[in-house]
Amino acid sequence: RKEVEQDPGPFNVPEGATVAFNCTYSNSASQSFFWYRQDCRKEPKLLMSVYSSGNEDGRFTAQLNRASQYISLLIRDSKLSDSATYLCVVNTNAGKSTFGDGTTLTVKP
Amino acid sequence: SAVISQKPSRDICQRGTSLTIQCQVDSQVTMMFWYRQQPGQSLTLIATANQGSEATYESGFVIDKFPISRPNLTFSTLTVSNMSPEDSSIYLCSGGGASGKLFFGSGTQLSVL
Repeated sequence: RKEVEQDPGPFNVPEGATVAFNCTYSNSASQSFFWYRQDCRKEPKLLMSVYSSGNEDGRFTAQLNRASQYISLLIRDSKLSDSATYLCVVNTNAGKSTFGDGTTLTVKP
Repeated sequence: SAVISQKPSRDICQRGTSLTIQCQVDSQVTMMFWYRQQPGQSLTLIATANQGSEATYESGFVIDKFPISRPNLTFSTLTVSNMSPEDSSIYLCSGGGASGKLFFGSGTQLSVL
């Protein structure tokens, strides 16, 4: 079993749709959690951190459930520019980051 | 966040040769890492670059194949030694601190013939 597992996707949605990505992790000692965005042929860039209390950044909402070892990302009112691969990342207290395989989102007009 | 300049951005190399990739950060960072990303796959950690000491390698990666230097808190190099076509990949350096947040160089796309 992989340490970090994501929905395989791809997700193809129309503009304005709401889309949710899920991620599970196996190491219960994991300390911090993030979503990154990676555009085609580009490096990953931090999208947002994920907290148990949930956090929102504009159209993006991230949620962590430590008991279930589950992370989610919700994108509301999808834009064409949201098309990318979204990577779930989990850190241990040793500072090591483990990346999920990513979920590809394509937003269509 | 800090900015990492990574070079070369791409290279085509002959098997048996070596390539050194450099990353320069515009500010001091606590931790630097080297990742590999195969086409269509996610990132795999090669090693943690330790300032002034030997890098810490992940399972499946060894120093003889991927020697790493980090002489100070703003610079690191990764060498891919004795290359074979299986080493064709994108190599990414990253920096981070106590928060766990990472920022990346723009990557080196390596093709080995």
